[in-house]
Amino acid sequence: SQQGEEDPQALSIQEGENATMNCSYKTSINNLQWYRQNSGRGLVHLILIRSNEREKHSGRLRVTLDTSKKSSSLLITASRAADTASYFCATASNRDDKIIFGKGTRLHILP
Amino acid sequence: SAVISQKPSRDICQRGTSLTIQCQVDSQVTMMFWYRQQPGQSLTLIATANQGSEATYESGFVIDKFPISRPNLTFSTLTVSNMSPEDSSIYLCSVEEGREGEKLFFGSGTQLSVL
Repeated sequence: SQQGEEDPQALSIQEGENATMNCSYKTSINNLQWYRQNSGRGLVHLILIRSNEREKHSGRLRVTLDTSKKSSSLLITASRAADTASYFCATASNRDDKIIFGKGTRLHILP
Repeated sequence: SAVISQKPSRDICQRGTSLTIQCQVDSQVTMMFWYRQQPGQSLTLIATANQGSEATYESGFVIDKFPISRPNLTFSTLTVSNMSPEDSSIYLCSVEEGREGEKLFFGSGTQLSVL
């Protein structure tokens, strides 16, 4: 069963602008992760934020987590054409070892 | 991070046939995971492959349709049996890594089309 729900489902922005994607989930989690998928191939792990963390940075990525609202956001600053991909949030529950993926946001960076 | 080789990368198959997908990891891992991604959809966990024991299947997936082998700690196969067009998907193997084994690393996927 799916846990995360990303919005928007699709996003097109100009190169250089910031892109923000949101994720909501339903159950208690140990951590929340974001992955990128290019052209329907294997997913690449981007960043992990634990349930006791509120914000995390990695390069041009900024992730926030609000456990009271059961939501997270991924911000990509100064977007580039190479950022065009699908982005998925995934949650690891504190009940079992399974990682459950959301539906994803398709991001398109316009030149 | 683990390097995962998955093959074939893509295949076009006839209805009623079976396809075996191979996943090779460059290091020993306890658990390997098989996911399915239907067109335009997210990833759904099919099963967890454990070395030395039977795979653990998720709700909606059965061993007769998706038999899995795990002969050692670096290799696993997933077979899609008696295929129908509804099985057309990307199939992905993955392994856990990270401080507490919480991150997933993925193979490049197998794009399957069933005619």
